[in-house]
Amino acid sequence: GQNIDQPTEMTATEGAIVQINCTYQTSGFNGLFWYQQHAGEAPTFLSYNVLDGLEEKGRFSSFLSRSKGYSYLLLKELQMKDSASYLCAVRDRGDSWGKLQFGAGTQVVVTP
Amino acid sequence: DAGVIQSPRHEVTEMGQEVTLRCKPISGHDYLFWYRQTMMRGLELLIYFNNNVPIDDSGMPEDRFSAKMPNASFSTLKIQPSEPRDSAVYFCASSPDTDTQYFGPGTRLTVL
Repeated sequence: GQNIDQPTEMTATEGAIVQINCTYQTSGFNGLFWYQQHAGEAPTFLSYNVLDGLEEKGRFSSFLSRSKGYSYLLLKELQMKDSASYLCAVRDRGDSWGKLQFGAGTQVVVTP
Repeated sequence: DAGVIQSPRHEVTEMGQEVTLRCKPISGHDYLFWYRQTMMRGLELLIYFNNNVPIDDSGMPEDRFSAKMPNASFSTLKIQPSEPRDSAVYFCASSPDTDTQYFGPGTRLTVL
């Protein structure tokens, strides 16, 4: 299995930038995912990294370093609606193809 | 597309009763996933299907839990008998591949 570690909570101001770190340990890495989950709602897919480097999608970017077992999700130009939990998930090559292990999530609070 | 549909949205039952949760995946998606989310354990994969066939049920907690997918447009997760520790939000998700999973709104189960 994997150990996935991410901070419990982060607070940032509207318009600012926040970086959510995720570290993981896995025997055979096969993909890292970020999901956003607003309170009382379902998770929604944000990004997928399988190769090292930065993937940019509008205000959100995700970075991966496989050698370091490290990823981050960067949220730019924060908006109030970005207040949510952000879940890091890892797929292990030893697991069946569809199996994701989720971290506990990072609660991001955006303040005016 | 209506997205993944789950029913019921809320279920309150008494310990020992049978509970059946239902899911209709997005049309054309070959993969269907059942997850459970609690504050203590986070988001956990219970089981997933590919083309109606169960692929990985290693997350199913015990024999009280069973899942079926009789056809491409319907799946059930059954708990019999239910226990208070089964109280959680149960999500169904579907995917055209295994990289992007689309979650349903969830069923909030309370077992008294």
